[in-house]
Amino acid sequence: DAKTTQPNSMESNEEEPVHLPCNHSTISGTDYIHWYRQLPSQGPEYVIHGLTSNVNNRMASLAIAEDRKSSTLILHRATLRDAAVYYCILSSGSRLTFGEGTQLTVNP
Amino acid sequence: DTEVTQTPKHLVMGMTNKKSLKCEQHMGHRAMYWYKQKAKKPPELMFVYSYEKLSINESVPSRFSPECPNSSLLNLHLHALQPEDSALYLCASSQDRGPLYGYTFGSGTRLTVV
Repeated sequence: DAKTTQPNSMESNEEEPVHLPCNHSTISGTDYIHWYRQLPSQGPEYVIHGLTSNVNNRMASLAIAEDRKSSTLILHRATLRDAAVYYCILSSGSRLTFGEGTQLTVNP
Repeated sequence: DTEVTQTPKHLVMGMTNKKSLKCEQHMGHRAMYWYKQKAKKPPELMFVYSYEKLSINESVPSRFSPECPNSSLLNLHLHALQPEDSALYLCASSQDRGPLYGYTFGSGTRLTVV
């Protein structure tokens, strides 16, 4: 699976939107873009995934660049419970391979 | 039921012990996975089961032995482990193999080998 690049850490304020970037310049046509998050002492939690079009669900929105070489996970209104490690993963096969992810800190 | 349940939550075992980790889901998912996560590191894939058959083994040492008795259960049998095998072991499931489906993870079993 192709590699992704994410910032090591980001900070946001409570009740403000958060935009988490992910670069994947070597993405192939069959790669889906998955986002998971992991809260302390818990297993990863599915957030959202998409192929080409922007996606929305109750947790977040996924904005995918037209050339698909980058994407952004948008949390519309951050809460303290959103503090976690966020993983952007490309997958075209039968495995999800996690990178280092972005540690999101949410300030009250 | 939308959960993956892992038992036990914590396990301490000696290097000569045999123990098993258990994972259960009742979502009708046909793919199940074992991951290993060391402290401050991302999860690493160990095994993939699809329709109760082992489809991927990521070159995991034989002291880890997976088993899928039925479509709802996944076990990981442990024997003669080393202290460096201490980690969080995560089970996950998805509707089927392939990138179209999101994974549901359990909370993990925190294993300490002494």
